[in-house]
Amino acid sequence: AQSVTQLGSHVSVSEGALVLLRCNYSSSVPPYLFWYVQYPNQGLQLLLKYTSAATLVKGINGFEAEFKKSETSFHLTKPSAHMSDAAEYFCAVSERSSGSARQLTFGSGTQLTVLP
Amino acid sequence: DGGITQSPKYLFRKEGQNVTLSCEQNLNHDAMYWYRQDPGQGLRLIYYSQIVNDFQKGDIAEGYSVSREKKESFPLTVTSAQKNPTAFYLCASRGGGVNEQFFGPGTRLTVL
Repeated sequence: AQSVTQLGSHVSVSEGALVLLRCNYSSSVPPYLFWYVQYPNQGLQLLLKYTSAATLVKGINGFEAEFKKSETSFHLTKPSAHMSDAAEYFCAVSERSSGSARQLTFGSGTQLTVLP
Repeated sequence: DGGITQSPKYLFRKEGQNVTLSCEQNLNHDAMYWYRQDPGQGLRLIYYSQIVNDFQKGDIAEGYSVSREKKESFPLTVTSAQKNPTAFYLCASRGGGVNEQFFGPGTRLTVL
């Protein structure tokens, strides 16, 4: 069974500081990995995804994540936080086997606060 | 514009009533999913459908029902058997050969 752990339910950073949101996964085989962002009372928007190409994945809004198989991690980073980055962020994992329903298993989320 | 629509955005229900949440997509996606979101718990899968006229239970299907009569539509019924239905409900879809799911804007259900 797959699982995702997001370390830190709340993270606060100053505007212009580095953003680091942590995600560790558990899976018997290398999975597909995703980061989604959610603004209040809205749906989820895909930030980036890892599907076994480059291990360093670049996404929208200046975010990137690095897949580290040895550490079973897929941490999300952004060099300089902006006020508009304040939101909830979800890491998710799905199977890569063909024919599967590609169900997503989500972490519990990290609420990012950006301080002026 | 292609996308996923959910209606209504806010829904209020009295205890003991069934209520149906709408989810429509014009992305021509085969797979559709329903999730429930509670504070601090992330998203949990209720039901999913990979093709018309077929659907499977997710992790928390008890008290919910779905149908998939058309490719574009995947309505979710919250029945009176669901003991704690107040939550934010999200619908998603995924196309063939694509790994990520695309989400609708959600419906917030409150039981009075």
